[in-house]
Amino acid sequence: EAGVAQSPRYKIIEKRQSVAFWCNPISGHATLYWYQQILGQGPKLLIQFQNNGVVDDSQLPKDRFSAERLKGVDSTLKIQPAKLEDSAVYLCASSLGGVFGEAFFGQGTRLTVV
Amino acid sequence: DQQVKQNSPSLSVQEGRISILNCDYTNSMFDYFLWYKKYPAEGPTFLISISSIKDKNEDGRFTVFLNKSAKHLSLHIVPSQPGDSAVYFCAAMEGDYKLSFGAGTTVTVRA
Repeated sequence: EAGVAQSPRYKIIEKRQSVAFWCNPISGHATLYWYQQILGQGPKLLIQFQNNGVVDDSQLPKDRFSAERLKGVDSTLKIQPAKLEDSAVYLCASSLGGVFGEAFFGQGTRLTVV
Repeated sequence: DQQVKQNSPSLSVQEGRISILNCDYTNSMFDYFLWYKKYPAEGPTFLISISSIKDKNEDGRFTVFLNKSAKHLSLHIVPSQPGDSAVYFCAAMEGDYKLSFGAGTTVTVRA
């Protein structure tokens, strides 16, 4: 079974530039999460999708971050414009959904904003 | 507001001994708890879970204990092995929502 795929693995951009991350979840997984993990901290949930609908985006900085999941499969997370404090690893995860479904994570995208 | 807390940032244990990792939570609506393990440059990997209707779940060398009244769970690794050296995250869910993580505990197993 293929895992969660993310790209790119690494990205360096200047502040005020834009950046986009892509995630392909495990086939058949209805739930998709985007997390931000700042060095030394635990993953922080940015947004949760159930199929192509948003379940929770309460911690997504909507003035600069946006995410979509077209056709309930792949997802993209965009930051525009980026700030220095956005430097982090962005993790995508997916699960079958329903209660008690553990999430499977991709390798993450390490973003450095200079 | 951090709803899942791991107050010990690091733990060092000798190979063969028991590792005990602790986690506290504040949201009484959490009903499913998970532990994830993370190696450098990789995403977290699911390790073991427990639902709120149980107080113990065991899988090989890993056992998770849940004390709902204290809002506390722990992960026991017995015996600890060098390959267990990693960052361990405690996580919790409300039904199908809001998989929330603690800050992590870095475990180092000494030979």
